[in-house]
Amino acid sequence: KAGVTQTPRYLIKTRGQQVTLSCSPISGHRSVSWYQQTPGQGLQFLFEYFSETQRNKGNFPGRFSGRQFSNSRSEMNVSTLELGDSALYLCASSTGQAWANEKLFFGSGTQLSVL
Amino acid sequence: SQQGEEDPQALSIQEGENATMNCSYKTSINNLQWYRQNSGRGLVHLILIRSNEREKHSGRLRVTLDTSKKSSSLLITASRAADTASYFCAPHTGTASKLTFGTGTRLQVTL
Repeated sequence: KAGVTQTPRYLIKTRGQQVTLSCSPISGHRSVSWYQQTPGQGLQFLFEYFSETQRNKGNFPGRFSGRQFSNSRSEMNVSTLELGDSALYLCASSTGQAWANEKLFFGSGTQLSVL
Repeated sequence: SQQGEEDPQALSIQEGENATMNCSYKTSINNLQWYRQNSGRGLVHLILIRSNEREKHSGRLRVTLDTSKKSSSLLITASRAADTASYFCAPHTGTASKLTFGTGTRLQVTL
């Protein structure tokens, strides 16, 4: 079974641009969560999608958005990039149906650098 | 959901020694999970312990949970250089479909 796939692996953008990151979950998983990881703030939860609906949201500005498609693949978008958006963006998948005792499967992440 | 706090922030040991890291949390939980992250990569799930369990083993890993003290510990026995990584705990209340993580314990295992 293929793992969680994130593309691209590395990305360099300039301030003011926008970026779209992609995540393909494990086959059969319907929940995708996104996290931002920086040295200063650690791992921060962005949002979670389940069956194309946002089920949970972290405390990030509206510049951060996401969506999920019918095949469970998910994208997140960051508009008007700021230097502080430089981070490792991780997505994680799970079945999402018995969430209380579920574990997350993470992708390798997208390392975003904003210049 | 709530965030766990790992302690110590950093730990350096020699190969063959045991490594113990701790996690504290604030409210009642449904389960607590431990994850490992190698530098610049995604997290890997290590072990999940339910609130009605006190101890769980997986290979060289031993996790304990003390719900009265709201704390958990992860013991890695006979550490290897390949265990060098950051370790995160994630207490889960069971009421929200998300996990939040602390800042982790950075473990360095030297030869």
